Amino acid sequence: GAGVSQSPSNKVTEKGKDVELRCDPISGHTALYWYRQSLGQGLEFLIYFQGNSAPDKSGLPSDRFSAERTGGSVSTLTIQRTQQEDSAVYLCASSLRTGETDTQYFGPGTRLTVL
Amino acid sequence: AQKVTQAQTEISVVEKEDVTLDCVYETRDTTYYLFWYKQPPSGELVFLIRRNSFDEQNEISGRYSWNFQKSTSSFNFTITASQVVDSAVYFCALSEPSRYSTLTFGKGTMLLVSP
Repeated sequence: GAGVSQSPSNKVTEKGKDVELRCDPISGHTALYWYRQSLGQGLEFLIYFQGNSAPDKSGLPSDRFSAERTGGSVSTLTIQRTQQEDSAVYLCASSLRTGETDTQYFGPGTRLTVL
Repeated sequence: AQKVTQAQTEISVVEKEDVTLDCVYETRDTTYYLFWYKQPPSGELVFLIRRNSFDEQNEISGRYSWNFQKSTSSFNFTITASQVVDSAVYFCALSEPSRYSTLTFGKGTMLLVSP
């Protein structure tokens, strides 16, 4: 079946602009995660959604970052007033559920470059 | 606090050599899960294996094998008879149900297999 999809694959923006990154999880997966991969910080957790519950936002680096998940499926990560340090690859993952730590499957990522 | 250490930043081998990638973890949880992911040059994280803390049996899958030792908090990954297609960055990761099963990743080991 189809895997996790993300769009756009690449995004170049100017400092100060807002960007939206989209994630389409695997059909039927109730848990959705956003991670960020950068040279300096490696792979780090950003935010997690489980079904219709309130998300765990503990990994978001600042209040410029927000995310939502509509209808328990597609998720959008929004970065407002982008800064150069936001340049990274943003990865989305989904899993069936988290009660017993199901395996997370990752999308191809969105490479964000802030000029 | 949870932590994953991959001490080997980069390993270079010649095709057909065996190679072992090390992973050491720290956790206070008694129930946890360990993962290995592969990230080829294309960038997508590919799931390789999941192991729970109660199952210390080693596992073999083709040329891949994993050695889980709770006594030393290690979960090492061996590739037998390496091939050029094995060239990638390999990540070890830890998941704890108490933390919504978010993944804590090591910094990764870049494996370069030359012909």
